[in-house]
Amino acid sequence: DTGVSQDPRHKITKRGQNVTFRCDPISEHNRLYWYRQTLGQGPEFLTYFQNEAQLEKSRLLSDRFSAERPKGSFSTLEIQRTEQGDSAMYLCASRPSGSSYNEQFFGPGTRLTVL
Amino acid sequence: GQSLEQPSEVTAVEGAIVQINCTYQTSGFYGLSWYQQHDGGAPTFLSYNGLDGLEETGRFSSFLSRSDSYGYLLLQELQMKDSASYFCAVRDKREYGNKLVFGAGTILRVKS
Repeated sequence: DTGVSQDPRHKITKRGQNVTFRCDPISEHNRLYWYRQTLGQGPEFLTYFQNEAQLEKSRLLSDRFSAERPKGSFSTLEIQRTEQGDSAMYLCASRPSGSSYNEQFFGPGTRLTVL
Repeated sequence: GQSLEQPSEVTAVEGAIVQINCTYQTSGFYGLSWYQQHDGGAPTFLSYNGLDGLEETGRFSSFLSRSDSYGYLLLQELQMKDSASYFCAVRDKREYGNKLVFGAGTILRVKS
């Protein structure tokens, strides 16, 4: 069990560019979550996958954001036409299915800086 | 909507006991979780309360009162390594898949 991994760990981009982040969850965890965290705040939910199906998206998520989990394993989060307000830490978490599992396992995050 | 309130910062000395409170307002409630996050690190799970009462895990305990929409995290025998941010998070029963709604976090500073 190597834990949840995310790539890259840091990304600096210019406003207007597109960026893509990858998350590899713990194997056999069929539930995967994306969160965004800004300084001094708690993680904010973005979207959720069960296997390859995207079952929920935050109403706060603009149409510039898209996420996929094509084979039910790794996931990607793409931000198009980045804005300075997108600067944040993007966290991925996973957990097994079943209501008895209360722990979400977080990855180290991708820190995005938009200049 | 959903909102969680917790103190922004708490300071305590090594060896002491500290309590971090959390009050919540949600349209649906399934349970309260606590996560720890060191600077630059990932949030890590500490505890979960689905029912009223106290859950104990080593030096950490967590309490929930559903009727009061209130919970707390109790840290005993504080160590320097406990300096971190602590987040309470609500699992909203109405939402799919155990989505968590987090509070803004409490920065705990442990002094020697």
